[in-house]
Amino acid sequence: DVKVTQSSRYLVKRTGEKVFLECVQDMDHENMFWYRQDPGLGLRLIYFSYDVKMKEKGDIPEGYSVSREKKERFSLILESASTNQTSMYLCASNMNTEAFFGQGTRLTVV
Amino acid sequence: DQQVKQNSPSLSVQEGRISILNCDYTNSMFDYFLWYKKYPAEGPTFLISISSIKDKNEDGRFTVFLNKSAKHLSLHIVPSQPGDSAVYFCAAKISGTYKYIFGTGTRLKVLA
Repeated sequence: DVKVTQSSRYLVKRTGEKVFLECVQDMDHENMFWYRQDPGLGLRLIYFSYDVKMKEKGDIPEGYSVSREKKERFSLILESASTNQTSMYLCASNMNTEAFFGQGTRLTVV
Repeated sequence: DQQVKQNSPSLSVQEGRISILNCDYTNSMFDYFLWYKKYPAEGPTFLISISSIKDKNEDGRFTVFLNKSAKHLSLHIVPSQPGDSAVYFCAAKISGTYKYIFGTGTRLKVLA
C-alpha cells in the first residue's frame, strides 16, 4: 500500500511565524504535490515537484515555498504565516495516473 | 476560470438506491479523469479513473461514465451505502503532465 505521511494532523501558529509542513512517501514516486483545500474552492495546487530539487509553481504559490532535498520528502514552507493561510493542507504523490494523498494537516493561523 | 466544475454542492440519497455525481469540464487537454472520496479530517482516497479514450469504467459498485462531446463525466454508485457518505471530488489530469485540476466537490449523504 502506498503511504503518504504528513508530519502533523493539526497545527496552530501565530501570524508572522515561519511554518514547515513535512510530507514523506514510501513508494519511490517521482512526483509530489502540495494542495490546500478550502470550502467551496476544492483542492488548489500550491506547488509540485517532479524530481529531487525540481519544483514548479502551481495555481496559488504566493506566500509559500517548497523544498525537495530527498526523493521521499517534500516540504511546504510558509515564509510568514498569515490568517488567510488557515486551511487544510494536503500532500500527494504519484508515478502514473492516480495521486495518493496524505491525511492532511489542518493549519490555523491566529 | 474553473476548468472542472461540480455544480451540485450536495446530494442526498436513500440507502440501496443509485447515487449519481456529476462533473463538467471545459478543457480538451485532459487525458485522465479521476474520482476521489474524502471523509472529514482525512486526505482524499482514490476511487476510480477513466482514460479520455474510453467512455465507461466499472469497479464493483462504482462506475464512471465519460461523455466527451458534452465534456461531462459522472460517477454512479449502486447500491448506495451509509458508509459512502463523504465529499466526492472529480479531477482531471492535464495531458503530458502530472498536474491535476480538481472540482469543488459534492457532499453525498446516504440516508439509512
